[in-house]
Amino acid sequence: GQQLNQSPQSMFIQEGEDVSMNCTSSSIFNTWLWYKQEPGEGPVLLIALYKAGELTSNGRLTAQFGITRKDSFLNISASIPSDVGIYFCAGFPRNTGKLIFGQGTTLQVKP
Amino acid sequence: DGGITQSPKYLFRKEGQNVTLSCEQNLNHDAMYWYRQDPGQGLRLIYYSQIVNDFQKGDIAEGYSVSREKKESFPLTVTSAQKNPTAFYLCASSMGAGMSEAFFGQGTRLTVV
Repeated sequence: GQQLNQSPQSMFIQEGEDVSMNCTSSSIFNTWLWYKQEPGEGPVLLIALYKAGELTSNGRLTAQFGITRKDSFLNISASIPSDVGIYFCAGFPRNTGKLIFGQGTTLQVKP
Repeated sequence: DGGITQSPKYLFRKEGQNVTLSCEQNLNHDAMYWYRQDPGQGLRLIYYSQIVNDFQKGDIAEGYSVSREKKESFPLTVTSAQKNPTAFYLCASSMGAGMSEAFFGQGTRLTVV
């Protein structure tokens, strides 16, 4: 089945640093979604992308839908302690109703 | 308030018993999804439904069953055939399957003893 490869698996950074994570697949996707999950809670939607090449921002977060439609990245600028959590990419592969997820990137921020 | 409600937050069951997890949404969304999350892992798709009275297996459907008799409800039954049912279960919904945002409930943590 379709797979999403998310990297890096974890990051430990200093407050104020920028962060970048990405997802790739061998399949074409119609939609890319980025989520943040905190312990014991459901994932919260951060950014949604619908068109190849689309670049969308949400505050300090910026995400892009890759031109090939097989990848996406998320950048967080000037990280702060409350950015700590697990970030997931997710997407709808073309011609399916499935929403599949990457393995997640665990972000830790040192004040 | 519009949203997705999963209940209960915590559930304990004895091994060999079936258990049903509730998921209700008042967002008027057509599509609904069930995921399983194990510690330190990503979300794995159990079942999804694109429309009322229709559903499809996800990647790990064995030992689970669902129904979609009403647009707003998508209950998941964890049967005794599921070999390792202890996990965090998450329900989501979206306007349609394929080109829309999906929103999650708060999850149900199931512990089987």
